[in-house]
Amino acid sequence: QITLKESGPTLVKPTQTLTLTCTFSGFSLSTNGMGVTWIRQPPGKALEWLALIFWDGDKRYSPSLKSRLTITKDTSKNQVVLTMTNMDPVDTATYYCAHRPDSGSYYPYWGQGTLVTVSS
Amino acid sequence: DIQMTQSPSSLSASVGDRVTITCRASQGISNYLAWYQQKPGKVPKLLIYDASTLQSGVPSRFSGSGSGTDFTLTIRSLQPEDVATYYCQQYYSAPYTFGQGTELEIK
Repeated sequence: QITLKESGPTLVKPTQTLTLTCTFSGFSLSTNGMGVTWIRQPPGKALEWLALIFWDGDKRYSPSLKSRLTITKDTSKNQVVLTMTNMDPVDTATYYCAHRPDSGSYYPYWGQGTLVTVSS
Repeated sequence: DIQMTQSPSSLSASVGDRVTITCRASQGISNYLAWYQQKPGKVPKLLIYDASTLQSGVPSRFSGSGSGTDFTLTIRSLQPEDVATYYCQQYYSAPYTFGQGTELEIK
């Protein structure tokens, strides 16, 4: 059974750096084809794809946010970390991590999400 | 980036109706398309992937079709529990963009 859970601060100040951790179980990020992605959703708005890290360390980022995002993995801990620099109130959103199966970058398993509010 | 455009943005239908939601990609994406259902306050749920493959456990009244740039999600007989926002997502090339969503309500 695959599960994922996001953790991190619920409130950050403008200009600060956000660090979110996705802790997962039920699969290994050392398995060929696997990946973990981050997706966010501002309140009342649509889903926005942010970043993906593959089993082999390859990474993909949203071009509009690439300069602010870093995704890393710790395979031994079954964790993926997303950092986003220079946070702004428009970054207020629920942040989800999700499992990418080896068959494609669609997402059958999601974490519960964590709401991050950016406010001074 | 590949832009995904859904229509309509919102939809009201009666229980038992056949409902169709359309998703158009700004360039060809073969069949690398998924559909998700998100109920209010809940996590998105994968309904369909590879444009037409039903995810395990999803009711058979849901179906998907299309290839290239034009795709549809069909609900054969709308049920009250289908009230939700539906999103398409392309995974042909990164960034793996979502549509803006279609909000479905019951008349």
